Amino acid sequence: ETGVTQSPTHLIKTRGQQVTLRCSSQSGHNTVSWYQQALGQGPQFIFQYYREEENGRGNFPPRFSGLQFPNYSSELNVNALELDDSALYLCASSLSGTRTYEQYFGPGTRLTVT
Amino acid sequence: AQSVSQHNHHVILSEAASLELGCNYSYGGTVNLFWYVQYPGQHLQLLLKYFSGDPLVKGIKGFEAEFIKSKFSFNLRKPSVQWSDTAEYFCAVYSSNTGKLIFGQGTTLQVKP
Repeated sequence: ETGVTQSPTHLIKTRGQQVTLRCSSQSGHNTVSWYQQALGQGPQFIFQYYREEENGRGNFPPRFSGLQFPNYSSELNVNALELDDSALYLCASSLSGTRTYEQYFGPGTRLTVT
Repeated sequence: AQSVSQHNHHVILSEAASLELGCNYSYGGTVNLFWYVQYPGQHLQLLLKYFSGDPLVKGIKGFEAEFIKSKFSFNLRKPSVQWSDTAEYFCAVYSSNTGKLIFGQGTTLQVKP
């Protein structure tokens, strides 16, 4: 069974730039959720994707967007980067329906915005 | 608003000491509760979960948690900690309305050998 993988591991960007983060879900999982974890804080829900559509969104501006592909992998895109976007971005996969709560996390992508 | 509050931000214990980390939640629906652990340099891992039934749940590595509905609490316990338990611990509640996990701010546990 393959776990959740994310790429890249680390990324440094400049304010105003755009970034794309990638996630491959655990084998058999069809739902992907993205979280932002700022230093010293718990993860904050960004959004969830199921069947290639956004299926729930947290309190994040529209410059945070995502995609899910037919193979259930996913991307998180952030436009017009701000310094406060510096954080660990976590991807979690799960099964839809009654097992959606059982989310398995990837190692994260550490984004630094300078 | 739905929220999770962890009382202890930083806990320092000696090996073999007992551990209890507090967690309170605010959520009106059916609760699914979790404790996750994040070891240094590693990803979030599920320690234990509560869905229904016996309010005392046992997880991996000797951890357990008790769901007390009347107190909206889900405290994590371990009778005797080890140095390898040094990590960040997060309490979370699952919101069935939005499909999201709502996390507390985390507790850093440092166990001294």
